[in-house]
Amino acid sequence: DARVTQTPRHKVTEMGQEVTMRCQPILGHNTVFWYRQTMMQGLELLAYFRNRAPLDDSGMPKDRFSAEMPDATLATLKIQPSEPRDSAVYFCASGLAVGVGTEAFFGQGTRLTVV
Amino acid sequence: AQKVTQAQTEISVVEKEDVTLDCVYETRDTTYYLFWYKQPPSGELVFLIRRNSFDEQNEISGRYSWNFQKSTSSFNFTITASQVVDSAVYFCALDDNYGQNFVFGPGTRLSVLP
Repeated sequence: DARVTQTPRHKVTEMGQEVTMRCQPILGHNTVFWYRQTMMQGLELLAYFRNRAPLDDSGMPKDRFSAEMPDATLATLKIQPSEPRDSAVYFCASGLAVGVGTEAFFGQGTRLTVV
Repeated sequence: AQKVTQAQTEISVVEKEDVTLDCVYETRDTTYYLFWYKQPPSGELVFLIRRNSFDEQNEISGRYSWNFQKSTSSFNFTITASQVVDSAVYFCALDDNYGQNFVFGPGTRLSVLP
């Protein structure tokens, strides 16, 4: 049963520390999304990759966030330095884009707490 | 800009009741996709359905059905004979530009009481 895998599931870190979240997309999918979910903002799209190339990261604070896909089996989202307001659940999703309308399958999320 | 509105923040029903979750969207594109996702208490997001803008046929899958009305820009979701396991937050989403604008609504929290 193919699924998107995210690690770690939970992360507690101190303000100022670097945080790296990892995502293994479903094999064969060519699209990867990163979302952040908070009570106040709901689900926000942070970044989006197609065939490993970043297509849209306008939703991401550029000064501290970075997203990469070093290879087709790994996507990373890094926060440096982390701040308490970054506390949220971060979801990775992958899909196979065929024209408009990628069907995104989500991982279980990484719950980040910055203290 | 595209936008998805789910006006119902929370709904409570008693088991076996039917319930409809509303979704209204805005987009300038003529080609787009609409989605529904379920987020149970476990936290993961579960894909339920994808519908493209050229297919206005209603869809039924077991107890779930979807009503797409392009004239009113709505894509409503009905659960028939609700069950306690249907309790979750349900999100409607819109994709109108090859995934670059995959936007979620704020979600509707459904509680099905025994």
